[in-house]
Amino acid sequence: QQQVKQSPQSLIVQKGGISIINCAYENTAFDYFPWYQQFPGKGPALLIAIRPDVSEKKEGRFTISFNKSAKQFSLHIMDSQPGDSATYFCAATNSDAGNMLTFGGGTRLMVKP
Amino acid sequence: DSGVTQTPKHLITATGQRVTLRCSPRSGDLSVYWYQQSLDQGLQFLIQYYNGEERAKGNILERFSAQQFPDLHSELNLSSLELGDSALYFCASSVAPSQGYGYTFGSGTRLTVV
Repeated sequence: QQQVKQSPQSLIVQKGGISIINCAYENTAFDYFPWYQQFPGKGPALLIAIRPDVSEKKEGRFTISFNKSAKQFSLHIMDSQPGDSATYFCAATNSDAGNMLTFGGGTRLMVKP
Repeated sequence: DSGVTQTPKHLITATGQRVTLRCSPRSGDLSVYWYQQSLDQGLQFLIQYYNGEERAKGNILERFSAQQFPDLHSELNLSSLELGDSALYFCASSVAPSQGYGYTFGSGTRLTVV
């Protein structure tokens, strides 16, 4: 059972545009929602994370929007750059139940110059 | 460098064989997690250790086992290998299992079973 659904699977954005990746979860016990960025040949790297007590978190060009009632959260990459081209994973965890991550299926982002 | 060290980086082996993947966590981290990344299954949690003890199991096959040693490094043992076990295996570490602040992944071991 896939508990975190991520869309789209792939995304092409022009340089300077906004990249938007969406995720939906089922388990209401999840209390921590990180996003990871993965480049080819590398492990996932933590990009930004949010807890359900806030609706938005911004770090530089990256913003997470969180809708607890809809059980959805999204990543917005403003002013997308070619260097942002990577695979992005949303994830969720119940930090009181071992902190293991349930990942979405991933989004392959390509930012065209 | 994330601080989590995985060896070897690449491994090619035949079906039926057994391999051991090694992970050294980031300094100060007591919890180690193993994940498998494959094209069809995505990133899947396998098993977690905290300070030498198993804390949680995910979708780990009975042919797979792991342990965490007193020096906190961990090993993932894969036996009776099948073609479908070909995947990237990642180790991650965190300070504690309930930290909830995300954890650090290594660069992975790419296993190819032929």
